[in-house]
Amino acid sequence: DVKVTQSSRYLVKRTGEKVFLECVQDMDHENMFWYRQDPGLGLRLIYFSYDVKMKEKGDIPEGYSVSREKKERFSLILESASTNQTSMYLCASRAPGTGPNEKLFFGSGTQLSVL
Amino acid sequence: QKEVEQDPGPLSVPEGAIVSLNCTYSNSAFQYFMWYRQYSRKGPELLMYTYSSGNKEDGRFTAQVDKSSKYISLFIRDSQPSDSATYLCAMSPFGAGNMLTFGGGTRLMVKP
Repeated sequence: DVKVTQSSRYLVKRTGEKVFLECVQDMDHENMFWYRQDPGLGLRLIYFSYDVKMKEKGDIPEGYSVSREKKERFSLILESASTNQTSMYLCASRAPGTGPNEKLFFGSGTQLSVL
Repeated sequence: QKEVEQDPGPLSVPEGAIVSLNCTYSNSAFQYFMWYRQYSRKGPELLMYTYSSGNKEDGRFTAQVDKSSKYISLFIRDSQPSDSATYLCAMSPFGAGNMLTFGGGTRLMVKP
C-alpha cells in the first residue's frame, strides 16, 4: 500500500529557529510536493520537486527552502521560523500516469506552532 | 477574490440525508476537477475525479461539473457518520496531480 510518512505529527518551535520537516515516500515516485493548510484557505503549494536535486517554487515559497538528496525523501526547511508560519504542513507524492492515475498521495501532516 | 470558493461550513446533517457540497471557480482553463476527503488528523485522499464537464458516479458519491457556470458539486446519498470529514475541491488545467488549486474545504458532520 502507498505510504507517505512525515516525521513529526506536532512540532513547537521558537521564532527565529531553523526548522526541518521531513517526508519519506515508499512508492518510488519522482514528484513530491509540500503544501501548507490553513483554515479557510485550503492547501497552498510551497515547493515541489520532480527529481532528485531538482526543485521548483510553488505559490508561496517565501521563507521556505527544500532539499531532495534522495528520491524517497523531500525536506522542507524554514530558515528562520516566524509566527505566520504556524500551520499544518502536508507532504505529497504523485503517482505516474495520466488522468486519475496521476493522483496525489498525502502524508498525515505536521502541525507546526511557532511561538 | 479567490480562484476557487468553497463554503467552509460546518454542515451538519442527520444520518441518511443527501448531502450537497459545492465549489465555484473563476479560471476557465480548469479541465480536471477533484474532490478530496480529509479525516481529522489525516492527510487528504482523492475521492472523486472528473475530466471536463459531466457527471461521475461511484457508489453513494456523485460528482458534477458544469463548466459553463464554473460550478462543481459533490453529492453524497444515504450519508453515514463515517462520511464526517472535511471535503476539499481541487482543480487544475493540467491533470489530477499537476498544479492543483484547492478550495478552502467544507467540514461535514453526519449525526447518527
